[in-house]
Order: sequence, then structure tokens, then C-alpha cells
Amino acid sequence: SQQGEEDPQALSIQEGENATMNCSYKTSINNLQWYRQNSGRGLVHLILIRSNEREKHSGRLRVTLDTSKKSSSLLITASRAADTASYFCATAGNTGNQFYFGTGTSLTVIP
Amino acid sequence: SQTIHQWPATLVQPVGSPLSLECTVEGTSNPNLYWYRQAAGRGLQLLFYSVGIGQISSEVPQNLSASRPQDRQFILSSKKLLLSDSGFYLCAWAPYGYTFGSGTRLTVV
Repeated sequence: SQQGEEDPQALSIQEGENATMNCSYKTSINNLQWYRQNSGRGLVHLILIRSNEREKHSGRLRVTLDTSKKSSSLLITASRAADTASYFCATAGNTGNQFYFGTGTSLTVIP
Repeated sequence: SQTIHQWPATLVQPVGSPLSLECTVEGTSNPNLYWYRQAAGRGLQLLFYSVGIGQISSEVPQNLSASRPQDRQFILSSKKLLLSDSGFYLCAWAPYGYTFGSGTRLTVV
């Protein structure tokens, strides 16, 4: 079963604007990860945030985690046309060996 | 460095034909290996994962099976494909986050 659910399903913004995507999950986690997928390609790991962390940065990416609300957000600042892709969150299952993905947010950045 | 290879990139198979997709990992030993399927415009569905040779955990049995004959080799198979098996199949390995292969787009006709 899938644990993560991204919101919104689709997002369209102008280049230079910030993009925020949200992920909600159902059960306790050890960590939460965000991935990016360009059309027809494999997924690329962006960032991992552990359950004892509240915020993490990587370049123009900022991820927050609120375990009390079982939610995470991914912020992409100063978006570029090349950021156009689908973004997925993934949470670790009970044994920590398997990860479950949400249905993704499709981001379109208009030049 | 660790790399993951997945082939073929695209595959068109008739209904009822067998399937074998292969995934190999280089540069690491005893990785956790995973097979995911992504339907068009949808999220990823975990099909199988393996924590070691001969160890397969199935999430969604359906019409598919997986095997791990060697430490760094993971195979996805079917004896008879169904139309519903069409999709984008991704292999991945962990431990720190996933590293995904480039995927196989399977169309069953």
C-alpha cells in the first residue's frame, strides 16, 4: 500500500517563482525522501530527511518534516524551466526495507 | 562508484508471452534491490524487494515473479503477460535512499 500522498497533483508556475509541494503519510516513519522524475525517465533521489529532523536544505531545495502532522513539504526556490518534472515523496515501511511512493506532483515551470 | 543497469529500455510483447527483465548493480555488495511499476501518469507501486540472494518479498504478486540468483542481479519475470502488465518498470537499490535504473517501458499488445 502507498503511504505518501502528494498535494497538489499538478502545479504550474512562472520561472523565478517558488514551488511548494506537500506530502502526507499515514504511519510512523524512520525517514522521508523526495525524488524527481523527468518524463519517461528513472527517479533521481533529491533529499532524505530523518524523523528527528525538522528541516533540511540542499541548494535551492528546502524540505520540512512535521511528524506530529505526518506531513512534509518540498520547496523549490527561484524555479527554472529545467525544474519541470514530477516530484514524489517516499516513506519507509515497517521493516525499513521497503519504501512507498505517493502519486506525485507534476510541476511545470513556464519560462 | 555504484551504478545500476536495467534493460531493455523498451519492450513490446504480445499477450500471453513470457517476460524477463534484468537489473544489475555494480560497485556494492549485498544491496537491497527493488522492482517498482509505474502506470502512465501514476505513482510507483512496489512489486518486489530483496535483501539478499534468494530472498524475495512480494508486495503485489499478481502475474509477476522475481528472483535474485546472484548478489547484484535482480530479475522480474512473468510466464504469461496480460494487457494490464503494461507500464514503466523501475529497478532500484538502497541503502541510503534509492538509486534507480533508467527503467523499461513495457507495452503488452
